[in-house]
Amino acid sequence: GQNIDQPTEMTATEGAIVQINCTYQTSGFNGLFWYQQHAGEAPTFLSYNVLDGLEEKGRFSSFLSRSKGYSYLLLKELQMKDSASYLCAVWNQAGTALIFGKGTTLSVSS
Amino acid sequence: DAGITQSPRHKVTETGTPVTLRCHQTENHRYMYWYRQDPGHGLRLIHYSYGVKDTDKGEVSDGYSVSRSKTEDFLLTLESATSSQTSVYFCAISESTTDTQYFGPGTRLTVL
Repeated sequence: GQNIDQPTEMTATEGAIVQINCTYQTSGFNGLFWYQQHAGEAPTFLSYNVLDGLEEKGRFSSFLSRSKGYSYLLLKELQMKDSASYLCAVWNQAGTALIFGKGTTLSVSS
Repeated sequence: DAGITQSPRHKVTETGTPVTLRCHQTENHRYMYWYRQDPGHGLRLIHYSYGVKDTDKGEVSDGYSVSRSKTEDFLLTLESATSSQTSVYFCAISESTTDTQYFGPGTRLTVL
């Protein structure tokens, strides 16, 4: 079967760095996505990792270790607008649909 | 942002009534998806389409049907709505099966 685990909630302060972890079990891995979702809005694409290693995109970076079934999203120089849910997702075994984790709600305070 | 719209954006209906939600895209993407999002469950796939008239079931398809008669439109129908179908419904599109999925703004459906 397939399973994705993420922490339910995290808190941090403005200007800090936060790491949101995601562990997964899946057959036939085809890549891992991170999405950001503000309350009442649609998920928006952040990153896609297929190969092991770190990919950096401005203040956001995403890391993947396929052998460990592990990924993390690193957010630097946190801003209030980064308060949102962060969703981790992997492809199902058939490669036809994404399986989403339940999301991590990040609260950034001043 | 990908050109995806959903209608209606909000709907309140009664148990037993039929409901149709519409997803419209202007990107000419082949793949379209319907998800529902509920607290404690995250996003779950209902149905998806890989072309005009080509659809398949997702994880939570019971009680839902879909149709795609044009590339740009993907309809989700609840034949007889139940309170358990109260949820936020998101449509998503992608160019191919393993490409990034882009989401529409969502429809909040309440079944009383």
